Amino acid sequence: DQQVKQNSPSLSVQEGRISILNCDYTNSMFDYFLWYKKYPAEGPTFLISISSIKDKNEDGRFTVFLNKSAKHLSLHIVPSQPGDSAVYFCAASGNQFYFGTGTSLTVIP
Amino acid sequence: EAGVAQSPRYKIIEKRQSVAFWCNPISGHATLYWYQQILGQGPKLLIQFQNNGVVDDSQLPKDRFSAERLKGVDSTLKIQPAKLEDSAVYLCASSRTGEAFFGQGTRLTVV
Repeated sequence: DQQVKQNSPSLSVQEGRISILNCDYTNSMFDYFLWYKKYPAEGPTFLISISSIKDKNEDGRFTVFLNKSAKHLSLHIVPSQPGDSAVYFCAASGNQFYFGTGTSLTVIP
Repeated sequence: EAGVAQSPRYKIIEKRQSVAFWCNPISGHATLYWYQQILGQGPKLLIQFQNNGVVDDSQLPKDRFSAERLKGVDSTLKIQPAKLEDSAVYLCASSRTGEAFFGQGTRLTVV
């Protein structure tokens, strides 16, 4: 049973525009949410996180939004850069980390 | 600060053979995880250690997979005997509190 879902396997965005990656979860007990970025042949790299007591966390070009009532979080990247092209995984933490299936982002120069 | 170290990076074995992976977590990180990532899927937790004790191994196929974390630092994950469906990237991660930090992974191909 997939507790964390990323329904868009891929996303293409023009350089300089906004990238929005979405994630849904099913377990209301999750209290901590994370986004990881993964390049080919490398392990996932932590990008940004948000606690369930917040609805927004910002770090430079990256902002994560959490809508607890909808059990939905999103990652906004503004402005998108070609180096942002990677697979992005969202994860939710209860007693362990549960990962989504990933969204492959391509930023077109 | 050194990251999570894993070896080997790549391994090709025949089905029914055995294989072992090694992980050295970030110094001071009490929690260590082993994940399996099959192509096109997200990482799936196999086992979680807190120091040298097992916190969660509910998704570890215990008939063929085993893991240990001696002295609460390094860890090894073993598969014996391997099956074709074990082909995946095996990721080790560690954490103190909050986010987990991942190693580069070991890509296992079972032929």
